[in-house]
Amino acid sequence: QSALTQPASVSGSPGQSITISCTGTGSDIGGNNYVSWYQQHPGKAPKLIIYDVSDRPSGVSIRFSGSKSGNTASLTISGLLAEDAADYYCTSYAISNTRVVFGGGTTLTVL
Amino acid sequence: QLQLQESGPGLLKPSETLSLTCTVSDDSIGSSAFYWGWVRQPPGKGPEWIGSFLYSGSTYYNPSLESRVTISADTSKKQYSLKLTSVSAADTAVYYCARHVQGSGWYRGAFHVWGQGTMVTVSS
Repeated sequence: QSALTQPASVSGSPGQSITISCTGTGSDIGGNNYVSWYQQHPGKAPKLIIYDVSDRPSGVSIRFSGSKSGNTASLTISGLLAEDAADYYCTSYAISNTRVVFGGGTTLTVL
Repeated sequence: QLQLQESGPGLLKPSETLSLTCTVSDDSIGSSAFYWGWVRQPPGKGPEWIGSFLYSGSTYYNPSLESRVTISADTSKKQYSLKLTSVSAADTAVYYCARHVQGSGWYRGAFHVWGQGTMVTVSS
């Protein structure tokens, strides 16, 4: 069982916006601003798309944005493209046991 | 452009020691600006952080693995390694080496550059 809870799947049509949630506790997401998001296509390594809740690494599309409220972080993808279909994982620093924890992952289907 | 490449045995028997090496394409492994780490991902599951280090500083391990894990580096070879003792089937996974975002502490979990990963299977 993952420390961070994500929906197993989300879907959207091309051009639409979707949001993926990542729920933790006050000991992880709620206790710091160290939330990252990764995109992973089948058979590939994860790709960092958001870090420190809302910062984007250079080269990552502005269609990807991150936010946080309380113990829940969110990843929003706007203007969905077929290439956005992938698994998405959140991470956070867990203060209570001094480690980086991952969410269970969300599969995005672009209809 | 930085490249990372994992290498090591792909099949182990229970109770053996897993040893993997990550070869880095530039000299940044000795830089105080970058943390380096290992992440693994069991088949069909989410990733799990194993540990991270700063060459000139400390090494940090996932508490759930800390008793069995050692991460070390050799800047002369531009490599760092992972050793995991007493493996079991639960350690079967794709193992990735990765570099954190520049200037980013290990606790931020921001792995910016990844290797392609290497599959390790533990089976008798």
